[in-house]
Amino acid sequence: DAKTTQPNSMESNEEEPVHLPCNHSTISGTDYIHWYRQLPSQGPEYVIHGLTSNVNNRMASLAIAEDRKSSTLILHRATLRDAAVYYCILRAYTGGFKTIFGAGTRLFVKA
Amino acid sequence: DTEVTQTPKHLVMGMTNKKSLKCEQHMGHRAMYWYKQKAKKPPELMFVYSYEKLSINESVPSRFSPECPNSSLLNLHLHALQPEDSALYLCASSQGQGLGSPLHFGNGTRLTVT
Repeated sequence: DAKTTQPNSMESNEEEPVHLPCNHSTISGTDYIHWYRQLPSQGPEYVIHGLTSNVNNRMASLAIAEDRKSSTLILHRATLRDAAVYYCILRAYTGGFKTIFGAGTRLFVKA
Repeated sequence: DTEVTQTPKHLVMGMTNKKSLKCEQHMGHRAMYWYKQKAKKPPELMFVYSYEKLSINESVPSRFSPECPNSSLLNLHLHALQPEDSALYLCASSQGQGLGSPLHFGNGTRLTVT
């Protein structure tokens, strides 16, 4: 299964940008990069996804390296409500359409 | 609030009990998923249904039995569970199984097996 590697934790100051990195060196040409976040006592929440080009939505931006072996989730202005575990996931077809979660990055936001 | 509703929110059951977890979505999604999440760990995929047919079983023990009665409902039947099966059980849905389809998760059922 395609794997992702993320830092265990990161810290940010409120109202500053946050760049959450993800390595996925074994990515295949058809694998999509998805990001989800999970707040305490909730299910994961979809944030953004992309294939090759950078993507923007109301929650975040996704910057994908040209060789697609890494990506960065960008939160433009962190708020206290952004404190969560952020999962970078490769959505791949490996004997079925699977969405396999990696370990994730716990983001701490300081006021 | 999420668009995927899971019931019950909490469940305590003995090892000899039979219980069921329920999941419902009305977004017209045709793929539905069960995940299991232990404390401080990422969710682990258990089952995937596509168009009401089981398409992926990640070698889950037979004491967990999924069922998809229609396109809006997904059940997980539990029988003879072990204490180590205590976890948060998450249901998700997506429009299709396409790799660009985001998953929408419910808030889970927290299961305790005594």
